[in-house]
Amino acid sequence: NAGVMQNPRHLVRRRGQEARLRCSPMKGHSHVYWYRQLPEEGLKFMVYLQKENIIDESGMPKERFSAEFPKEGPSILRIQQVVRGDSAAYFCASSPDYSNQPQHFGDGTRLSIL
Amino acid sequence: AQSVTQLDSHVSVSEGTPVLLRCNYSSSYSPSLFWYVQHPNKGLQLLLKYTSAATLVKGINGFEAEFKKSETSFHLTKPSAHMSDAAEYFCVVRTINTDKLIFGTGTRLQVFP
Repeated sequence: NAGVMQNPRHLVRRRGQEARLRCSPMKGHSHVYWYRQLPEEGLKFMVYLQKENIIDESGMPKERFSAEFPKEGPSILRIQQVVRGDSAAYFCASSPDYSNQPQHFGDGTRLSIL
Repeated sequence: AQSVTQLDSHVSVSEGTPVLLRCNYSSSYSPSLFWYVQHPNKGLQLLLKYTSAATLVKGINGFEAEFKKSETSFHLTKPSAHMSDAAEYFCVVRTINTDKLIFGTGTRLQVFP
């Protein structure tokens, strides 16, 4: 039973480019969460999605960041016009469609901005 | 608002000695609490969870945690540290409305031979 799959594991972008991070949840999981971990810090919640719906995006920066979880395919976290401050590890987690279940994390995408 | 506070940013122990990683929580209702471990350049692995059942929770790799409402604490312990336990440990609370996780700042555990 494959876990949460994130790709790429490492992503390098120049300032002003776009970054696309992908997350495939565990089989049978319909809830996806994105977290960001800045260097030497804990994880901070960004967005919570279910299939085709954004449930909570209170942690998302207002500009340049967007997320989707289409009916088919992985969840995508998209960062437009990246800046140095976007350098971080981005983690995806998933959980099944019933309450009180823990979230399972992927290995993350480490984004570096040159 | 819910939050967790990890009282130590670094803990160092010798192999074979006990481990204590401290966490205090703040919540206006009965919280769901977790401990996750992160090894270098890896994702987070769930060690254990508390969801208002038994107050002493046993997890993987010999870890356990005790929920103490009177002290608003959820400390993580292990009787005997192993070299492979060296990692970053996060105490986490889950919000009740949207299930998002709120992380503590982490405790880095070092284990010396």
